[in-house]
Amino acid sequence: KNEVEQSPQNLTAQEGEFITINCSYSVGISALHWLQQHPGGGIVSLFMLSSGKKKHGRLIATINIQEKHSSLHITASHPRDSAVYICAVLPLTSGTYKYIFGTGTRLKVLA
Amino acid sequence: EAQVTQNPRYLITVTGKKLTVTCSQNMNHEYMSWYRQDPGLGLRQIYYSMNVEVTDKGDVPEGYKVSRKEKRNFPLILESPSPNQTSLYFCASSSWQGNGYTFGSGTRLTVV
Repeated sequence: KNEVEQSPQNLTAQEGEFITINCSYSVGISALHWLQQHPGGGIVSLFMLSSGKKKHGRLIATINIQEKHSSLHITASHPRDSAVYICAVLPLTSGTYKYIFGTGTRLKVLA
Repeated sequence: EAQVTQNPRYLITVTGKKLTVTCSQNMNHEYMSWYRQDPGLGLRQIYYSMNVEVTDKGDVPEGYKVSRKEKRNFPLILESPSPNQTSLYFCASSSWQGNGYTFGSGTRLTVV
C-alpha cells in the first residue's frame, strides 16, 4: 500500500462544476503540499498545509491531521484547471527530508 | 523573480557519455532536491540536500551523483548514462520548513 493515496485517479468535469480531489496518507507529517502539473510539464506548488484550511482564488485546500487526510477543492471549474494534481507529504522523520508523492489525479474540465 | 533554473530543457545523449544537468535557485533556500518522473510511477526522489555540503540519497539514487558546494547550485551528474535513465527530471527547492516549494521547468533527457 502506498504511503500517500490520491483519489480519484482520473476525473472529467463540466465547466462550472465543483471538484474535490482527496489525499490520504499513513505517516505523521510536518507539511503537505498540493502541486499542479500542466500538460506542458511544469510543476507549481499551490498550497502548503500543516493544519486547517487555505484559500487562493477558486482553490481551497483543507487538512485533517488526526484523520491523515487532505482535500483540494476547485470551485467554478474552468478548462484551464485541466492538469494533474499531486499531493506531496513531508514525513515527521528526524534526520531525513524526503517528500512522499501521490501518483496524481488527472483532471480534465470540458467547456 | 523567485525561481529555480534548470538547464538544459531537452537533452539527447548516448550511452556512457557523462552529462550534468544544472540547477540554480535565487531564494536562499536551504533544501534542494532532484526528482525523476516516469509514466505511471509519478515523482521519485533521486537526491536531496539540506544545506551546503550536506546531501543524502532519495529513493532512486543509483547511477546519479550530486554536489552542493554553494547554497544556490545543486547539479545532477550522470557519470555513465544508460537508456533506463531516460526520463523527465525536476529540480526543486524550499526552505527547510517546506515554505516556498518551487520547481524548475524540467529537463527531458533521452539516452540512446
